[in-house]
Amino acid sequence: RKEVEQDPGPFNVPEGATVAFNCTYSNSASQSFFWYRQDCRKEPKLLMSVYSSGNEDGRFTAQLNRASQYISLLIRDSKLSDSATYLCVVNVLDGSYKLIFGSGTRLLVRP
Amino acid sequence: SQTIHQWPATLVQPVGSPLSLECTVEGTSNPNLYWYRQAAGRGLQLLFYSIGIDQISSEVPQNLSASRPQDRQFILSSKKLLLSDSGFYLCAWSVSERNTEAFFGQGTRLTVV
Repeated sequence: RKEVEQDPGPFNVPEGATVAFNCTYSNSASQSFFWYRQDCRKEPKLLMSVYSSGNEDGRFTAQLNRASQYISLLIRDSKLSDSATYLCVVNVLDGSYKLIFGSGTRLLVRP
Repeated sequence: SQTIHQWPATLVQPVGSPLSLECTVEGTSNPNLYWYRQAAGRGLQLLFYSIGIDQISSEVPQNLSASRPQDRQFILSSKKLLLSDSGFYLCAWSVSERNTEAFFGQGTRLTVV
């Protein structure tokens, strides 16, 4: 079983739609959680951290459920520029901290 | 501010040739350093991570090795490349002893022919 699992998609949505991505992790030693965005043929870039109480950054809302080992990302009012792959990332304490990435969920926003 | 440099950006190498990819970080000390590989259309696979000079952990058995000769330098090497080594190689750093996010270099796109 993969340590971090995501639906690969693609999610094909019209502009203005709301879309949600889910992610599950298996390692109970996971300490912190992030969503990254990766554009085609580019390096991943941090989108937002995920806090236990849930957090929002503009049109993006992230939530964490430690009991179910589940993370989500909600994007409201989708823009064409939101088209990218969204990576769920877990920071695991295993002697030291190491970051484990999910395979990513691809989002396509159409006009 | 901290920056991470990774080079070269693209590389085409014949099967059986050696490989050396270099990554350096500026503006921080004692960072955690990581090498990831991403095959075409796939997710990031953690190859190596390092919490200090000469302290390197390998995540998966493979045809690659890593070294950290200086605090902010991380090198990925191979003695003989295989076709299956083709991919997008990414170096990243994070603050040590804290569960923080990582920051990536621009990556090296390696094609083994």
